[in-house]
Amino acid sequence: DSGVTQTPKHLITATGQRVTLRCSPRSGDLSVYWYQQSLDQGLQFLIQYYNGEERAKGNILERFSAQQFPDLHSELNLSSLELGDSALYFCASSLGTGTGELFFGEGSRLTVL
Amino acid sequence: EDQVTQSPEALRLQEGESSSLNCSYTVSGLRGLFWYRQDPGKGPEFLFTLYSAGEEKEKERLKATLTKKESFLHITAPKPEDSATYLCAVRGDYKLSFGAGTTVTVRA
Repeated sequence: DSGVTQTPKHLITATGQRVTLRCSPRSGDLSVYWYQQSLDQGLQFLIQYYNGEERAKGNILERFSAQQFPDLHSELNLSSLELGDSALYFCASSLGTGTGELFFGEGSRLTVL
Repeated sequence: EDQVTQSPEALRLQEGESSSLNCSYTVSGLRGLFWYRQDPGKGPEFLFTLYSAGEEKEKERLKATLTKKESFLHITAPKPEDSATYLCAVRGDYKLSFGAGTTVTVRA
């Protein structure tokens, strides 16, 4: 158990809809990262927050947004969903920033029909 | 753009048959190379960090090494429980970039 909690574990929705994925980091960790994993793309970095502030941004679509709250949990919002957004979305956390030693949750599997 | 290439894509081994996985990378300002293990339906699990060429790390049957352009993950006398996808990642200026992984299957 990594200590990172993600909800929901599975989500099925329709094109055009909006969903919110939630992540609680390991106790004491200040950084939260979001990654997307699909069969053809591997693990793609989306965005990182550190202590409530956006720290780094990867290939995150404009239809996607994220935030980290004062209690350090994070949410990833995906809107105007398309079939190609179907993937596993992972949250990871670390104590600081600038490290590669991340602790990953078990992921949220999103299926867009 | 940071790039990480892993080979082979898949590796099937007999129990006890040692082998190596390769990770080649291009990154501006390497701030570490990392190995992870991922089991089906699970999140990646951190294994090793390597920072400089010549560095080696070991854990049970796994040993990771680093040169200036690539890293190897050696699996010695593997067991079926070593079956997983092994991911290599490099830390550049602002993000951790992952390779596509090598899926290792160890048959008893």
